[in-house]
Amino acid sequence: QVQLQESGPGLVKPSESLSLTCTVSGGSIRSSNYYWAWIRQPPGKGLEWIASIYYSGRSYYNPSLRSRVTISVDTSKNQFSLKMTSVTAADTAVYYCARDTGGVDTLWGQGTLVTVSS
Amino acid sequence: QTVVTQEPSLTVSPGGTVTLTCASSTGAVTGEYYPNWFQQKPGQAPRALIYSITNKHPWTPARFSGSLLGGKAALTLSGVQPDDEADYYCVLHYGGAQAHWVFGGGTKLTVL
Repeated sequence: QVQLQESGPGLVKPSESLSLTCTVSGGSIRSSNYYWAWIRQPPGKGLEWIASIYYSGRSYYNPSLRSRVTISVDTSKNQFSLKMTSVTAADTAVYYCARDTGGVDTLWGQGTLVTVSS
Repeated sequence: QTVVTQEPSLTVSPGGTVTLTCASSTGAVTGEYYPNWFQQKPGQAPRALIYSITNKHPWTPARFSGSLLGGKAALTLSGVQPDDEADYYCVLHYGGAQAHWVFGGGTKLTVL
């Protein structure tokens, strides 16, 4: 079955950029009707949707994060990625990648903790 | 900035019934918002329970049900079990030129 696995640095310095990749296995990222998403959860706090992308590249963003975030997809590697610039301690969170944020086929990865600290 | 509001905490006795709600700052929640519900236990990733108001995933226990109630999305647990103690999150989809999803702040459900 389809599985999602997040990868990337667990520690990022303030003011630098955070880059994460989600590898999709057991199925093609080009599957129709799916949007691939990033969601995060600061320690002890709630969930926040960051962005979603279709395999064609069509994307949409959380308005409050739009200026710092880029989501991209690499169909040749069956991966999609997140880049967030100018990070601060407030960006410390568990970052989840997901197939569809909600809906009948929603599927989430296990998450990866990213800590922003010098 | 769109805000989705849930009860911060609720307490229910084992075997009881409890309803969690999910409200939108833009007005009444309808099917166009595709409300979803997730359950999260400590140290675990969220698990999807309900999608598009009422629909259950194959793994969703029968005691969980979704609905619209008084302009809000609602999640009802009937015959609550101790294992249902968890955080519950709703998420709503806002369409349009800048489509986006917004999660509620979550409800901490205590079974006591």
